[in-house]
Amino acid sequence: GENVEQHPSTLSVQEGDSAVIKCTYSDSASNYFPWYKQELGKGPQLIIDIRSNVGEKKDQRIAVTLNKTAKHFSLHITETQPEDSAVYFCAASPGDMRFGAGTRLTVKP
Amino acid sequence: EAEVAQSPRYKITEKSQAVAFWCDPISGHATLYWYRQILGQGPELLVQFQDESVVDDSQLPKDRFSAERLKGVDSTLKIQPAELGDSAMYLCASSTSDSNTEAFFGQGTRLTVV
Repeated sequence: GENVEQHPSTLSVQEGDSAVIKCTYSDSASNYFPWYKQELGKGPQLIIDIRSNVGEKKDQRIAVTLNKTAKHFSLHITETQPEDSAVYFCAASPGDMRFGAGTRLTVKP
Repeated sequence: EAEVAQSPRYKITEKSQAVAFWCDPISGHATLYWYRQILGQGPELLVQFQDESVVDDSQLPKDRFSAERLKGVDSTLKIQPAELGDSAMYLCASSTSDSNTEAFFGQGTRLTVV
């Protein structure tokens, strides 16, 4: 089955700086790569996703890049704000969705 | 806005007791997932349904866990008997199909086994 690894496990940035979280996957059949944000006590919420026919996707301050050859994809958050502080999960899906271990992002004011 | 409903939000149970969680997916979503999330880790897939059929339950500890989705709508996850190591957040998610689409998550049920 699919195996997703995520780095770093924790990330602390100053408000206004950029944050980058990276994930690798193992199953070459995976073709859908979502990123979820989870706030304390809540379920994960989708913030952006990318499909395998696209190399990059952007939505305001958030972007995701995909390298299918290397089997890795990354989340980029620019101009970080304190409300971006949360745990972020990547996932990969060829059918059932497997998640990375998560990155706790802290944005310091 | 449509949401995935889960109940209860919190459950405390003694070990060796039975416990059940309920999930009502977004209307029209054929795919339903149950995940277990241990504190500080990512969600781990327990079981995936497509309508009323189990698509993947390879990670479900079948000696004590069971899941059903009898009419292809809402679903129940049961643990019997509960063990201390079952303490975790149990998340339900649904999507319109089994691949390449967003999974919408409920708020989860936080289980504490004492």
